[in-house]
Amino acid sequence: SQTIHQWPATLVQPVGSPLSLECTVEGTSNPNLYWYRQAAGRGLQLLFYSVGIGQISSEVPQNLSASRPQDRQFILSSKKLLLSDSGFYLCAWSRRRADTQYFGPGTRLTVL
Amino acid sequence: AQKVTQAQTEISVVEKEDVTLDCVYETRDTTYYLFWYKQPPSGELVFLIRRNSFDEQNEISGRYSWNFQKSTSSFNFTITASQVVDSAVYFCALSEAGGQNFVFGPGTRLSVLP
Repeated sequence: SQTIHQWPATLVQPVGSPLSLECTVEGTSNPNLYWYRQAAGRGLQLLFYSVGIGQISSEVPQNLSASRPQDRQFILSSKKLLLSDSGFYLCAWSRRRADTQYFGPGTRLTVL
Repeated sequence: AQKVTQAQTEISVVEKEDVTLDCVYETRDTTYYLFWYKQPPSGELVFLIRRNSFDEQNEISGRYSWNFQKSTSSFNFTITASQVVDSAVYFCALSEAGGQNFVFGPGTRLSVLP
């Protein structure tokens, strides 16, 4: 069966510090991968998606970037965090485009 | 353009009551998929159901049931005999066969009181 991992689970970072969140999927190959952000009490905002290694599409221009160095690894990064980057970050995978997305446990980021 | 509306922001019910969560969608595609996800307080989104546009049969899974009506572009979710553990935010989502990504509704926060 497939599982998706995210770490860390929680993170508190000062403004201006760098960020690296990691997501890995097990039990499947060549998944589509997604990063979402959810601000407190709000809906889901798609940040990035990837259909293969090194292929990243950005949905929202912002302070963040994503990379996919391996087939089942998806990394969300920032060089300098802003207060507005606080939120709950969710990684998801699907087998094909438009297919069911399965979500990881999320990372709760607080920028102070 | 695709859009998902969940008009109910918050609903509160007492345990054992039935509750229906509404979802209305917009799409120009003839082939599309509809989903419901549950987000409990822990935060992880849990997949509940997927329905494709060619299958209008209603589905029942235990206390959960879904009513898909293309005529009204709705995909409503009913919980029968609600329980405290049903308290969560529920998201409806749409994906088009020709598209890449999901569109999520804003979510409905359900509180089931003991």
